[in-house]
Amino acid sequence: EAGVVQSPRYKIIEKKQPVAFWCNPISGHNTLYWYRQNLGQGPELLIRYENEEAVDDSQLPKDRFSAERLKGVDSTLKIQPAELGDSAVYLCASSSGGTSRETQYFGPGTRLLVL
Amino acid sequence: AQTVTQSQPEMSVQEAETVTLSCTYDTSESDYYLFWYKQPPSRQMILVIRQEAYKQQNATENRFSVNFQKAAKSFSLKISDSQLGDAAMYFCAYKLTQGGSEKLVFGKGTKLTVNP
Repeated sequence: EAGVVQSPRYKIIEKKQPVAFWCNPISGHNTLYWYRQNLGQGPELLIRYENEEAVDDSQLPKDRFSAERLKGVDSTLKIQPAELGDSAVYLCASSSGGTSRETQYFGPGTRLLVL
Repeated sequence: AQTVTQSQPEMSVQEAETVTLSCTYDTSESDYYLFWYKQPPSRQMILVIRQEAYKQQNATENRFSVNFQKAAKSFSLKISDSQLGDAAMYFCAYKLTQGGSEKLVFGKGTKLTVNP
């Protein structure tokens, strides 16, 4: 079974430029999460999707961040415009329903550097 | 709000020896999950072990085991027969069983070095 796929793995951009990250969850996983991991910290949740519905986006900076999950499968996280403080690793995770719901499986992440 | 504290920023262990990583958490809930994740330099977050709070028996996965002390809100990870491949950042995480935001709350991590 393929794991969570993310692209790109690395991205370097100038501040004020837009950037987008893509995530393909494990097949059959209805729940998708985007986390941000700052250097030396644990990941922090940005947004959670149940199928195509964003059910928890309280930590998403909505002035510059947006996300979508069309058709309840792949998801895209966008930043526009990027700021220096957005440099971090962006992790995507997914989980299934039922008794395995509590276990989240993570992708390799996208490391963003804003110059 | 739930918080997770890992008081050891760095730990080291000799190959084949045993090491214990500490984790404490703060919650007013009685039903929740606890996890240990491993993050090697490749940055892929890998689940090591999980514990349901309602279970008194400590979880084990091969060389990995936990010491879950619910009253003390402590959840330590023991790695036996340490191997070079165990070197990584280890994160302790908490999640409510039902309701809430379903998010994982992570500690700041412990960097484990395994010396040959």
